Amino acid sequence: DTAVSQTPKYLVTQMGNDKSIKCEQNLGHDTMYWYKQDSKKFLKIMFSYNNKELIINETVPNRFSPKSPDKAHLNLHINSLELGDSAVYFCASSQSIGELFFGEGSRLTVL
Amino acid sequence: EDQVTQSPEALRLQEGESSSLNCSYTVSGLRGLFWYRQDPGKGPEFLFTLYSAGEEKEKERLKATLTKKESFLHITAPKPEDSATYLCAVRSNMEYGNKLVFGAGTILRVKS
Repeated sequence: DTAVSQTPKYLVTQMGNDKSIKCEQNLGHDTMYWYKQDSKKFLKIMFSYNNKELIINETVPNRFSPKSPDKAHLNLHINSLELGDSAVYFCASSQSIGELFFGEGSRLTVL
Repeated sequence: EDQVTQSPEALRLQEGESSSLNCSYTVSGLRGLFWYRQDPGKGPEFLFTLYSAGEEKEKERLKATLTKKESFLHITAPKPEDSATYLCAVRSNMEYGNKLVFGAGTILRVKS
């Protein structure tokens, strides 16, 4: 049973489209995250939610909007996709300030 | 600004050839240094957390150590299945929440 699962695993779309990535964790953790891994393999935090409250919001374009309906789910919606948005997006969860558990990633390709 | 630099970028070892990966960091008050392993097409997998200089942790063929400026991941008698990218990350006292700053990673290839 997957601890942190994200869908879809692969996403190919045209510039200007809107897309969403969904994430669910069954670990009972209270904090969830979105990280972006670019072509140089750097993992950078985008957002973090603790019990549905946004607590980390890095310098990310307004086109990216996270939404946490409950503490087990964190979705990422991206409007007006650009070429530079192509990357692997990882969802993660933790119990407060404990170690992060990552999903398998969603590879987004914008054409 | 918190910064993590990992070296080397890539490392090729023969099976059984021990070596070390380096993680140098600059952080405003360290509140944890983390090592992760990432296999191709997968998410990072947690290995260790170190909190203070002098601390060491071990898991199978891996041993992580920490000083005030850097951390080492020692790999003893590696096997091909140890091939992966190893990521280092730090958490700062100055950052709210559980924000980790990652290095670019070291790609390890172990040949049999």
